[in-house]
Amino acid sequence: AQRVTQPEKLLSVFKGAPVELKCNYSYSGSPELFWYVQYSRQRLQLLLRHISRESIKGFTADLNKGETSFHLKKPFAQEEDSAMYYCAPSKTGGTSYGKLTFGQGTILTVHP
Amino acid sequence: EPEVTQTPSHQVTQMGQEVILRCVPISNHLYFYWYRQILGQKVEFLVSFYNNEISEKSEIFDDQFSVERPDGSNFTLKIRSTKLEDSAMYFCASSRDLNYEQYFGPGTRLTVT
Repeated sequence: AQRVTQPEKLLSVFKGAPVELKCNYSYSGSPELFWYVQYSRQRLQLLLRHISRESIKGFTADLNKGETSFHLKKPFAQEEDSAMYYCAPSKTGGTSYGKLTFGQGTILTVHP
Repeated sequence: EPEVTQTPSHQVTQMGQEVILRCVPISNHLYFYWYRQILGQKVEFLVSFYNNEISEKSEIFDDQFSVERPDGSNFTLKIRSTKLEDSAMYFCASSRDLNYEQYFGPGTRLTVT
């Protein structure tokens, strides 16, 4: 069964501190991996996807296939990073058509 | 920038009634999705739709649910006979290709009383 675990429901840091949001997944095959973010009163939007290997808003995510993890990191958190973050693998091929499997989400609060 | 739109933003209905949730995906997108989020729980996949047919559905998506793309523009989710446990936020999403970014609508909050 496909499973995504984000162990921290809440994460609080101070502005300028490093932040790491954890994600572990259990998936057959090689899923494509995404982080989605939802800022207050806004819609879900893509933050970054593994395949593009970009750094978006200072965030990066490293895939560790051995540990099946895809943790999201930022070296210096900003107040505007406060949001709900979702790890969401997606599998295609066979009978899968891009379905995203969301984790429980982590609410990140960055204090001034 | 084009956006996915959903109507209504909030729908209140009585148990046993039919509801239709509407979505207008981004115009050049080919893949369409419905997800839902019960209050306090994770976002769950319901169904994906491609080439005018359902391509994948979850266990939640039983015979009470159906989807349609009636006019090449709208993408609808119908619940035939609503139950209390259908109360949730329903999100529509679209993407231009597989494993590309899915663009989400703002959601429709469905309340079944």
